[in-house]
Amino acid sequence: DAGITQSPRYKITETGRQVTLMCHQTWSHSYMFWYRQDLGHGLRLIYYSAAADITDKGEVSDGYVVSRSKTENFPLTLESATRSQTSVYFCASSEPVGQEAYEQYFGPGTRLTVT
Amino acid sequence: QKEVEQDPGPLSVPEGAIVSLNCTYSNSAFQYFMWYRQYSRKGPELLMYTYSSGNKEDGRFTAQVDKSSKYISLFIRDSQPSDSATYLCAMESGGGADGLTFGKGTHLIIQP
Repeated sequence: DAGITQSPRYKITETGRQVTLMCHQTWSHSYMFWYRQDLGHGLRLIYYSAAADITDKGEVSDGYVVSRSKTENFPLTLESATRSQTSVYFCASSEPVGQEAYEQYFGPGTRLTVT
Repeated sequence: QKEVEQDPGPLSVPEGAIVSLNCTYSNSAFQYFMWYRQYSRKGPELLMYTYSSGNKEDGRFTAQVDKSSKYISLFIRDSQPSDSATYLCAMESGGGADGLTFGKGTHLIIQP
């Protein structure tokens, strides 16, 4: 099916381990984003990408790394997981065309627990 | 002060009532305003998108933006139990390139 998918949907890992969350979209959207959602904070931007090989930091980027070698994929890596990175992670994509065509679509999320 | 303020609720209303959800913001550069609906353990789903000030209607949903007051609203008419969800306001200044700034979300409960 077309759309935006994330894997894994659930992940439990230990402190200090490296974890990679995958995001794939089939629309060929230029822009892709990673957010985390925590109680009391809402959704916060981690990283975003305007195109393949172009990425930039968001509000809460410390401890995270991204890459975008292909337009459709935007993996997020936690280099050394900490308990504070326990969260629900959402990937999103958009393709702005003029003023009225901006819509950001979200994936189903990955629920990550760091023990 | 957070850039976007939204009452977390919960807001509980009877079926058929008109629901009013609101957000205030402080960054005058915001030009694009959205409302997302999020069901439990699901991703946010875009409901309404408005550019700059004004009203936009889509079925039972109406979005209003008042940039002079830095205040946005979402109205739901003839509310249904299926409208029970968390509603997130979001906004952005640059037309899609820089990511969204979200409110914390309002948990809405429609009582049958």
